[in-house]
Amino acid sequence: SAVISQKPSRDICQRGTSLTIQCQVDSQVTMMFWYRQQPGQSLTLIATANQGSEATYESGFVIDKFPISRPNLTFSTLTVSNMSPEDSSIYLCSAPGGGGSTDTQYFGPGTRLTVL
Amino acid sequence: AQSVTQPDIHITVSEGASLELRCNYSYGATPYLFWYVQSPGQGLQLLLKYFSGDTLVQGIKGFEAEFKRSQSSFNLRKPSVHWSDAAEYFCAVGAPDRGSTLGRLYFGRGTQLTVWP
Repeated sequence: SAVISQKPSRDICQRGTSLTIQCQVDSQVTMMFWYRQQPGQSLTLIATANQGSEATYESGFVIDKFPISRPNLTFSTLTVSNMSPEDSSIYLCSAPGGGGSTDTQYFGPGTRLTVL
Repeated sequence: AQSVTQPDIHITVSEGASLELRCNYSYGATPYLFWYVQSPGQGLQLLLKYFSGDTLVQGIKGFEAEFKRSQSSFNLRKPSVHWSDAAEYFCAVGAPDRGSTLGRLYFGRGTQLTVWP
């Protein structure tokens, strides 16, 4: 299975600021995914981060608000820009398992964001 | 359109009782099916998965799930619940995106499990 870490684990931010969340996978993966989990809700896909190409955003999410970087096959960042209280959520990254097993998604521990 | 339905938002069971969490899906291709568990303040942990073959799959922590194609269901079961099983359970569906690599997942809204001592 893949081991995925995220930083920070949680943060409290002021309205109008930006936060960059880092996601590190312990093996090389072609795709990484960023999900948002609003309070009491399920997971919603924000975007797919592909190494060497632009991220693919889901309907309702735009690059200006959630810019994503994918500089190599083990790392990605998600920035939440110009934050508002509505952005308060848990942000999770995921990737297909490493070690030759790419048929399962593994998740990082999440970043709990509170916007005041 | 792809979708996952977990009809039960909240289930309460007594410790030692049996458990069944329901999941129905709508998916155009042959689905890959998953159950994840999320404890408070934690990320998602994979309980079990189904791709093909035996429709009854065993997972970690004594959980099992049965795939029923005719009913588009993938219900999670456990014969005897422990207090530590209290958590949120998510059913998810996906499919390979590039070759055999799994693409994005579609999640149900989750079922919150409370266990009475």
